[in-house]
Amino acid sequence: DAMVIQNPRYQVTQFGKPVTLSCSQTLNHNVMYWYQQKSSQAPKLLFHYYDKDFNNEADTPDNFQSRRPNTSFCFLDIRSPGLGDAAMYLCATSAMTGGGEKLFFGSGTQLSVL
Amino acid sequence: AQSVAQPEDQVNVAEGNPLTVKCTYSVSGNPYLFWYVQYPNRGLQFLLKYITGDNLVKGSYGFEAEFNKSQTSFHLKKPSALVSDSALYFCAVRDTEGGKLIFGQGTELSVKP
Repeated sequence: DAMVIQNPRYQVTQFGKPVTLSCSQTLNHNVMYWYQQKSSQAPKLLFHYYDKDFNNEADTPDNFQSRRPNTSFCFLDIRSPGLGDAAMYLCATSAMTGGGEKLFFGSGTQLSVL
Repeated sequence: AQSVAQPEDQVNVAEGNPLTVKCTYSVSGNPYLFWYVQYPNRGLQFLLKYITGDNLVKGSYGFEAEFNKSQTSFHLKKPSALVSDSALYFCAVRDTEGGKLIFGQGTELSVKP
């Protein structure tokens, strides 16, 4: 089945130790998003790619970076994780942006920072 | 700026009873409105959307939502709740300027047998 896959499901890292979360999709969608969700709050958009064009949200900390080497894969890099970065990280895709298309979400990666 | 509000943090319903999860919105222009559901430790799943046309939108798992322009509301409804409907529900609106999806704060639905 076509889907959005996030690995790992759970990630534990140490304070200040760089960590990378991965997302892959078989939907061939142009747009890929990274959201941060804390404690059942509303997902907060960190950034998104429209094809190779990177769009950073104004309030996304510099500590968060992303790479999209090809259509199928997208990575979230947290350069120096702090305790406040512990959260569920959700990857999502859509066929395009700006219209009525729905988002397809992965199951998320739950990040713990010790 | 576009926004959505979900006035209830939690809704409790008995199985078999109708349920309503409320959402109001504020947008400039015509709204693109969505409902998503999140089960524990999972990603969000699309339920339904309103873009244009019929004000009553039908979606997955027997859910429906009614778009009300005069009240700027998009409430989620289901005629008969199931225990398995217990989850976190998010209303969302598409930002017509930046294109991103803006989520409400979520409503925890609890359906008891």
